[in-house]
Order: sequence, then C-alpha cells, then structure tokens
Amino acid sequence: AQKVTQAQTEISVVEKEDVTLDCVYETRDTTYYLFWYKQPPSGELVFLIRRNSFDEQNEISGRYSWNFQKSTSSFNFTITASQVVDSAVYFCALSPRGGANSKLTFGKGITLSVRP
Amino acid sequence: DARVTQTPRDKVTEMGQEVTMRCQPILGHNTVFWYRQTMMQGLELLAYFRNRAPLDDSGMPKDRFSAEMPDATLATLKIQPSEPRDSAVYFCASGPHPDSGNEQFFGPGTRLTVL
Repeated sequence: AQKVTQAQTEISVVEKEDVTLDCVYETRDTTYYLFWYKQPPSGELVFLIRRNSFDEQNEISGRYSWNFQKSTSSFNFTITASQVVDSAVYFCALSPRGGANSKLTFGKGITLSVRP
Repeated sequence: DARVTQTPRDKVTEMGQEVTMRCQPILGHNTVFWYRQTMMQGLELLAYFRNRAPLDDSGMPKDRFSAEMPDATLATLKIQPSEPRDSAVYFCASGPHPDSGNEQFFGPGTRLTVL
C-alpha cells in the first residue's frame, strides 16, 4: 500500500520568507514517481513537478526547489522569498512507475498563507 | 495551451435529480480520472479509464454513480439520484500513457451543490 504524509496542515509566513513544505511517503514499489501539485484559491490543481525514484538529484526552478531523499523517504518543497501569490494548498503525491497502475496517492495537503 | 475542460463549472440541484458532469481530456492523453474533493475527505479517486476502458471504479458508489467515455474526447460522470452528501467539487484529470510519467493534468472542476 502507498501512503503520503504531509504532517504540516497550515503554514503562515510573511512575504519574502523562505518556507519548506514537508512530504514523507511509504511504498513497497522499487520504482515510483513523486509529484507536487498546487491548488490556489481559484480551485484548479496545477501540476508543479514529477520526480523519478531513481533520480535523487535536487531540482530548482526559479524560487522553487525540491529535495528528494530516498534514505528518509522524503520529498520536500522549498519556496524561496515567498510571495503572496504562493498562497495555496500544496499536495504531495506518489504513484507506481511502470505497469498499468497510474493512480496517484495524495497527501492531505498543506495550506500555505503568505502575508504581505 | 492544452487544458482539460469541464462543464458545467457550477451546478446547483435538488435532491433526487440527475446530474451529469462532462470532461474533455487533453488531446492525445489516453488516461482519464475522476476525483471528488471535500473538506472532510480531501481528494478521492472515484474512477479512471485508459483508452476509454474503465480500469478502476472502486472509489465510486455504484448504486448512484456511473462513469463512461463515449469517445476519446469526452468523459462523463453521472449521479442519479443525487443526494446532499454528494455536494463537492468534482475534478477530471487526464494523463499520457504511464510510460511517459504518470503526471495528471486537472480540469477546473465542477462545484456541485445538492439541496
């Protein structure tokens, strides 16, 4: 069985602060994918990133960075110099890699509020 | 800019009425998912299809919910009869073949209110 835990439920920061959203996962699959999605107040779920389990290289995209550590089963997301537009619910998700099963297992989400 | 589209965006109906939600997946995506999101339960997978064939509908209440893909450009989710507990946001998502990565791209959702 697969499980994604986002222990933080709500985080509030002041604009320009850095913030890290934690994600811990459990899976018996040897290969898998990890994802982050953003759900702004408008409601649509926006795909941010996909990570393959065999690639532990960290990734940076502008103010966003992701730290994947297989040893601790974590896939954390850092926003540098946060902005009000980053206010959203962020979901971490997990799926098997390969085969017919492409279901995503989502965490409960973290509500991030960035205050001006 | 390819996007998943969903209609209607908002639906208010009375208990007992039939509700049909429609989804147009991204052209070329062969996997389509239906989710329900509520404050209490979060995101729940109801059903998903690959190449128009249902792969898993274990998350869907079978007595009142049905999901179909009449063709590759249309997926439908029907509730008959609707109940107040069905009030939620229903998302459709589509994705490429699993060998391409499993990411899912979501539509804007249908906000359903059953009175």
